[in-house]
Amino acid sequence: DAGVTQSPTHLIKTRGQQVTLRCSPKSGHDTVSWYQQALGQGPQFIFQYYEEEERQRGNFPDRFSGHQFPNYSSELNVNALLLGDSALYLCASSLALGEALLEEQYFGPGTRLTVT
Amino acid sequence: AQSVTQLGSHVSVSEGALVLLRCNYSSSVPPYLFWYVQYPNQGLQLLLKYTSAATLVKGINGFEAEFKKSETSFHLTKPSAHMSDAAEYFCAVTLNTGFQKLVFGTGTRLLVSP
Repeated sequence: DAGVTQSPTHLIKTRGQQVTLRCSPKSGHDTVSWYQQALGQGPQFIFQYYEEEERQRGNFPDRFSGHQFPNYSSELNVNALLLGDSALYLCASSLALGEALLEEQYFGPGTRLTVT
Repeated sequence: AQSVTQLGSHVSVSEGALVLLRCNYSSSVPPYLFWYVQYPNQGLQLLLKYTSAATLVKGINGFEAEFKKSETSFHLTKPSAHMSDAAEYFCAVTLNTGFQKLVFGTGTRLLVSP
């Protein structure tokens, strides 16, 4: 049973560019959450997708956007990259039933984004 | 709003010694609490979780944590540290209803010396 997978593993971009990160949830999961982990910090919630819609959003600017596909996989897009966007981006998947989560969130290995 | 505070950004122990990593939470409603471990250049792995059942929770790799409502704490312990326990540990809180986002602490790096 494959766990949460993310691609790419590492990415280097230049300020002002755009980036797309991808996540495939654990088999059987339907909810995907994205977190940003800056160096030396705990992960910060970006947003969560369920049924192809953004259900919750953290305190991140509109430059951060996402999408969930019918197969539950998800993308995180960041426009107009800033140096401060350099971080490990973590995807987590879980199973939901209505308003409640049935399982804890399982994390992928992350994508390390470096903005120069 | 929920939050967690992890006391001590670094904790050093000797191999075989007791491990104690501290976590205090703040939540206006009954919380769910989690401990995750992160090894270098890896994602997060769930160690254990509290979801309003037993207050003493046992996890993987010999770790356990006790939920103490009166102290708003959820400290992580392990009787005997192993070299392989050296990693970053994160405490996290979420609401027990709704689509929960995890709110993480700033982490505690556990160093284990021979």
